[in-house]
Amino acid sequence: EVQLLEFGGGLVQPGGSLRLSCAASGFTFTAYAMSWVRQAPGKGLEWVAGISGSGGTTYYADSVKGRFTISRDNSKNTVYVQMNSLRAEDTAVYYCAKGGRYDSYGDWGQGTLVTVSS
Amino acid sequence: EIVLTQSPGTLSLSPGERATLSCRASQSVSSTYLAWYQQKPGQAPRLLIYGASSRAAGIPDRFSGSGSGTDFALTISRLEPEDFAVYYCQQYGSSITFGQGTRLDFK
Repeated sequence: EVQLLEFGGGLVQPGGSLRLSCAASGFTFTAYAMSWVRQAPGKGLEWVAGISGSGGTTYYADSVKGRFTISRDNSKNTVYVQMNSLRAEDTAVYYCAKGGRYDSYGDWGQGTLVTVSS
Repeated sequence: EIVLTQSPGTLSLSPGERATLSCRASQSVSSTYLAWYQQKPGQAPRLLIYGASSRAAGIPDRFSGSGSGTDFALTISRLEPEDFAVYYCQQYGSSITFGQGTRLDFK
């Protein structure tokens, strides 16, 4: 059974940084690209970033390019997103999902809430 | 960026009725790269349909997807109480974008 468990959400001030983690199990981690998708309170879904199975290719939404960095540690079956220069509009539940740029997402984590506020 | 526009914003129906949800793209989307999700409050989205018309594993056959080009639809043939939720379309052929969602409410 595929399991994706996100960690690291919380309250951060505008301009601050946060790193989210997603621990994966139940599948061959290196064979799959991984993505982060977010959902602002009461709003729809927004794809944020993705990374290939090897970690060699990354891609970002324009709204986070230059501020967020996605990475993965295949020895730990974990994908990360480092979020810098956070803004109020980054407030959202952040989900990790199994799949990449040309995939639908059949497996999702439970989400972790990031609140950017002073 | 391909913009997906879902309609209606809210659909009010009763159990047993048929629901048809629309997703229109601002430019042509390959059918290979169109998906539908269901989301209930406090839960992650659940994949229903991928490739415009293929049901994901474990999805009941009352859910069906159709369409091509810029116009796609999700049909629920006979609504069950557990189907009342928010539904999103997604295209993943040119970057990745989601529609704004259709809320399916009890009438």
